[in-house]
Amino acid sequence: GQQLNQSPQSMFIQEGEDVSMNCTSSSIFNTWLWYKQDPGEGPVLLIALYKAGELTSNGRLTAQFGITRKDSFLNISASIPSDVGIYFCAGCTGTASKLTFGTGTRLQVTL
Amino acid sequence: NAGVTQTPKFRILKIGQSMTLQCTQDMNHNYMYWYRQDPGMGLKLIYYSVGAGITDKGEVPNGYNVSRSTTEDFPLRLELAAPSQTSVYFCASSYGQPNTEAFFGQGTRLTVV
Repeated sequence: GQQLNQSPQSMFIQEGEDVSMNCTSSSIFNTWLWYKQDPGEGPVLLIALYKAGELTSNGRLTAQFGITRKDSFLNISASIPSDVGIYFCAGCTGTASKLTFGTGTRLQVTL
Repeated sequence: NAGVTQTPKFRILKIGQSMTLQCTQDMNHNYMYWYRQDPGMGLKLIYYSVGAGITDKGEVPNGYNVSRSTTEDFPLRLELAAPSQTSVYFCASSYGQPNTEAFFGQGTRLTVV
């Protein structure tokens, strides 16, 4: 099946630093989504990307849909403690809108 | 704004027991999904439905069954629980194409002993 490789697996950063994470696929996706998961909660959608090359921002978050449609990245600027959590990329293709998830990037923010 | 609601939140099952995980959504979404998340891993699709009366297998369907008699509800059934089914289960829903953004419930943590 399709696989999404997400990197890095984990990050330890200081408050105020910028963060960058990415996701690569062996196959093409029509949609890329980025989710954040807090402990004991379900994933919450951060950004949705629908077009190759698209760059979209949501507050301090910026994500891009790669030109090849096989990759995407997420940047978080000026990190704050509440950014702590696990970030998942997800790719979607096909008519049933099924999502394929990456393995996640665990973000820790220190004061 | 309830969104996607899952019950129960936690459950412990003995090997061989059966149970149903409930999922309901109030957003009038056509598409619904069941995922499982093993420790330190991403989510894997178990079953999905594109509308009432229509269900299909995902990536890891073995040991599970689903039904979709209404737009709102999408229960997941485990018939003979096995330790390999210990996981956190998430239900999700979306409008479907072209809007593929899926909204998730809070999860059901299942332990099979």
